Amino acid sequence: DADVTQTPRNRITKTGKRIMLECSQTKGHDRMYWYRQDPGLGLRLIYYSFDVKDINKGEISDGYSVSRQAQAKFSLSLESAIPNQTALYFCATSDTRDNYEQYFGPGTRLTVT
Amino acid sequence: GENVEQHPSTLSVQEGDSAVIKCTYSDSASNYFPWYKQELGKRPQLIIDIRSNVGEKKDQRIAVTLNKTAKHFSLHITETQPEDSAVYFCAAPNAGNMLTFGGGTRLMVKP
Repeated sequence: DADVTQTPRNRITKTGKRIMLECSQTKGHDRMYWYRQDPGLGLRLIYYSFDVKDINKGEISDGYSVSRQAQAKFSLSLESAIPNQTALYFCATSDTRDNYEQYFGPGTRLTVT
Repeated sequence: GENVEQHPSTLSVQEGDSAVIKCTYSDSASNYFPWYKQELGKRPQLIIDIRSNVGEKKDQRIAVTLNKTAKHFSLHITETQPEDSAVYFCAAPNAGNMLTFGGGTRLMVKP
């Protein structure tokens, strides 16, 4: 779905580095999410935002922070990356008025060495 | 909060056979149940969903059934094809009107 984009698509970084993953959407949705997916596992929610002034922790927020710069932009930061944060990261959006359907971005594959 | 359990975690079927994936949920107030398909290396995408006012919904070879009394819902894929091979996720909304996802099922369709 080209309406939800993520940058970068792939990133290799070293332990201790700060890294930011960015998500943009043109769907006009108010809600945005960050998920983490480890190999062979499901989707785990890191943070979510219901509007620009609303930020909430998900089930695995430790070691991460987020910023909702605008309705269309939601960034995820790893302040000091560690190897066990190596994973596939997905951004998703949804519209409060339209069921609960979530639209996912293409994902960012992050490797921390 | 909502707890969604999905079974089996892996499923292997022969091409042409049917596949069934089951999910249970805990919040009796839940009223929307989607299924997402994630092909290898790609993003999860919605393939079918059902609301609590119906018991079954079909879309070509896929169908979802819902049993609100028992709090479970299932995905049925008939006449499976190799391109059905993927990871499938069920989900249900929690009290915060967000989706809680099941752990996923890896479906392998053998030619």
